[in-house]
Amino acid sequence: NAGVTQTPKFQVLKTGQSMTLQCAQDMNHNSMYWYRQDPGMGLRLIYYSASEGTTDKGEVPNGYNVSRLNKREFSLRLESAAPSQTSVYFCASRGGRAGTDTQYFGPGTRLTVL
Amino acid sequence: AQSVTQLGSHVSVSEGALVLLRCNYSSSVPPYLFWYVQYPNQGLQLLLKYTTGATLVKGINGFEAEFKKSETSFHLTKPSAHMSDAAEYFCAVSSSGGYNKLIFGAGTRLAVHP
Repeated sequence: NAGVTQTPKFQVLKTGQSMTLQCAQDMNHNSMYWYRQDPGMGLRLIYYSASEGTTDKGEVPNGYNVSRLNKREFSLRLESAAPSQTSVYFCASRGGRAGTDTQYFGPGTRLTVL
Repeated sequence: AQSVTQLGSHVSVSEGALVLLRCNYSSSVPPYLFWYVQYPNQGLQLLLKYTTGATLVKGINGFEAEFKKSETSFHLTKPSAHMSDAAEYFCAVSSSGGYNKLIFGAGTRLAVHP
């Protein structure tokens, strides 16, 4: 049981390049999330997917797109990377009995945009 | 709207001393409250959570937190700090039900010195 996995662990992009961050979970959770972490700002929600086939914007969605490929996988795409998108990106999934749900986080992707 | 304020971006304690990390929240609905810990270059790990019921919540590694509705607080404590407790700690709030979107505080970095 690997939990939440993310690839790649590290990535360096040039301004204007595109890339996709991959996330997968093996806990049979319905909901999945993408956050970014910046110093002094905690984690901020980019997009989330309440269930397979649905996605919704979070607090900071501009410059990103997502795809919920199936129940296991939720990818985050940067179409034209900007230096302001330099950050650590975390994927999470949520599961558990209704009313006591917990989010489980992946190890993160450290992205630098030059 | 919900929000979280963590007082003190950096806290330093001696090994064996009391750890107190402060968290205040704002929520118009009954909150679910969480503390997560992040060790260097790792993802977030759940320490403890409050959903309903007993207001004193015990978590892993000897940490506990008390939900005080009248003070809108959820402070994290540990009676005796250990060197291995050095990490960044995040308080988070979510609304009951819904899609469990987490709102994070900015984080508190705990240093433990001999």
